[in-house]
Amino acid sequence: DAGITQSPRHKVTETGTPVTLRCHQTENHRYMYWYRQDPGHGLRLIHYSYGVKDTDKGEVSDGYSVSRSKTEDFLLTLESATSSQTSVYFCAITRRANTGELFFGEGSRLTVL
Amino acid sequence: DQQVKQNSPSLSVQEGRISILNCDYTNSMFDYFLWYKKYPAEGPTFLISISSIKDKNEDGRFTVFLNKSAKHLSLHIVPSQPGDSAVYFCAASVTGNQFYFGTGTSLTVIP
Repeated sequence: DAGITQSPRHKVTETGTPVTLRCHQTENHRYMYWYRQDPGHGLRLIHYSYGVKDTDKGEVSDGYSVSRSKTEDFLLTLESATSSQTSVYFCAITRRANTGELFFGEGSRLTVL
Repeated sequence: DQQVKQNSPSLSVQEGRISILNCDYTNSMFDYFLWYKKYPAEGPTFLISISSIKDKNEDGRFTVFLNKSAKHLSLHIVPSQPGDSAVYFCAASVTGNQFYFGTGTSLTVIP
């Protein structure tokens, strides 16, 4: 158990509303990631963080923003949710960028109506 | 464009037989490869990895093979067990900075 908690686990919202997903870790890992999983696309990186206030974009970052004000928390925000953002979102952590082993949270299922 | 591809969406194997899951990649700079297993409603869990300096890595029933010239990766599970039924993702990275995942292969092991 890598000590990752995602919240909320399930959320239904309407188009145009803001949504924030939270990832909380208890192991003080430096690197944190947000992925989305969609049928036919596998897991795609949205944003990642390599330290407090240090974040960078992944391959599908449009429409998303992130913040990391504390080591243990990495927030993913959809400023104005769209139906194309209906997905399962996974947070992941790793101790070092080159270990190659990501530990994933249990996922947050978001439905945008 | 998908840099890591799993061309078989599903695979069915009899219990006790070998399961072979395949993965192809396009970026020759990838130097680290991983396999993840995912059950429904759970996050992916790490299974096995291999560095580009090796061509084989074994862990119990799981063996990963890497053919760099063909840009091909495979996972062998032997013997297959019903509990292995899950979706398997391969992933690749350049020194672990950003991981690119395949689309997954759903494995069903038939008792």
